[in-house]
Amino acid sequence: DTEVTQTPKHLVMGMTNKKSLKCEQHMGHRAMYWYKQKAKKPPELMFVYSYEKLSINESVPSRFSPECPNSSLLNLHLHALQPEDSALYLCASSQATGTSRTSYNEQFFGPGTRLTVL
Amino acid sequence: AQTVTQSQPEMSVQEAETVTLSCTYDTSESNYYLFWYKQPPSRQMILVIRQEAYKQQNATENRFSVNFQKAAKSFSLKISDSQLGDTAMYFCAFMKHREARYGGATNKLIFGTGTLLAVQP
Repeated sequence: DTEVTQTPKHLVMGMTNKKSLKCEQHMGHRAMYWYKQKAKKPPELMFVYSYEKLSINESVPSRFSPECPNSSLLNLHLHALQPEDSALYLCASSQATGTSRTSYNEQFFGPGTRLTVL
Repeated sequence: AQTVTQSQPEMSVQEAETVTLSCTYDTSESNYYLFWYKQPPSRQMILVIRQEAYKQQNATENRFSVNFQKAAKSFSLKISDSQLGDTAMYFCAFMKHREARYGGATNKLIFGTGTLLAVQP
């Protein structure tokens, strides 16, 4: 199974709502990522979790709150978002360690959640 | 800091023809990895091909091949026998090598701005 799943596929929310995005993988990966992608732009890294601990926060506003409850799940909690936060939110996962020779790990991406903030 | 530049925002190719997408990058690192990712319309991003900087041989994956020029910091993607299913946004990406003791997970993927490729019937 080389699949990363994301729910919901689409989400429309008001600026006062609280919602959550969910990401799941069963590839045994111990690193998981959240990206934000605007139309016709490259993905922008938001957060990285490694072994269920937050290892990178790219200075993301606190209205985005990530959570990694276990090695297979990654959530992104949303609160008091702004219309400019409307985007495609991508989740990815990868192995968390590599050999010294090939110290990279391919990131597998999910299909994304298309978020619209009204 | 590393940067990745894709100078062709949009390209078009006829079915069965060959097309080359350009990518240049800037880094002071000697060990790194380069990738081409494909993102079809409304579908998820997938890895097309990768190149380790320490390897001189250009990577190939079926109809996809790269021309890696390390000194020139150039990493172009050639798609042969283009198919309608190749229509997608293509992103070139860079990742630093990181020693295993630091873990590989915190390696950031640095993406270029993308090239939108349309394959015409």
